[in-house]
Amino acid sequence: GAGVSQSPRYKVAKRGQDVALRCDPISGHVSLFWYQQALGQGPEFLTYFQNEAQLDKSGLPSDRFFAERPEGSVSTLKIQRTQQEDSAVYLCASSLVHGNSPLHFGNGTRLTVT
Amino acid sequence: GQQLNQSPQSMFIQEGEDVSMNCTSSSIFNTWLWYKQDPGEGPVLLIALYKAGELTSNGRLTAQFGITRKDSFLNISASIPSDVGIYFCAAHYGGSQGNLIFGKGTKLSVKP
Repeated sequence: GAGVSQSPRYKVAKRGQDVALRCDPISGHVSLFWYQQALGQGPEFLTYFQNEAQLDKSGLPSDRFFAERPEGSVSTLKIQRTQQEDSAVYLCASSLVHGNSPLHFGNGTRLTVT
Repeated sequence: GQQLNQSPQSMFIQEGEDVSMNCTSSSIFNTWLWYKQDPGEGPVLLIALYKAGELTSNGRLTAQFGITRKDSFLNISASIPSDVGIYFCAAHYGGSQGNLIFGKGTKLSVKP
């Protein structure tokens, strides 16, 4: 497709369940990023991949959060044992190369933990 | 930690008016960006600024990278209803392009 695609668009999970959020970046984009956006706030950085290598995971809030990009294309953000404070929109972005190329964001997955 | 102070938090204006919003920080950044986010969508890049003092326009939008590298502003001239949305400033820290810090956003409402 033309843009970054994320699925599902909406996810409702019961507290304690595991969830997996998928991101399809723009074809050929080397860099991939995950952000978390709480209601009424700006996005906050979670983690960054260059191809299949996870170069920065300093923003992951706890060890319940895990991201992978095994073939350097599609990425999955997994949250184990979800908590209510995990409720947010999870945004994926990709860029052509590392450096100053602009980030293209997907429309996000809205996660609600009940 | 580093944070961006974005103001105003919200604006209600008449169609045709000019708009100004800004972002300040106590930290120095190498790149400033302005994004717009519509409901249910991801942020879309409006303007990117790479040099202190740089003034860049994109149609009715003008943004400047402050000379101290600690601030930036965005102006929208002759606003129209489709300008409605949330505008975020963002700045790069660290070596990774993706390590963007975002402001809390300015919500713009335009009355026709």
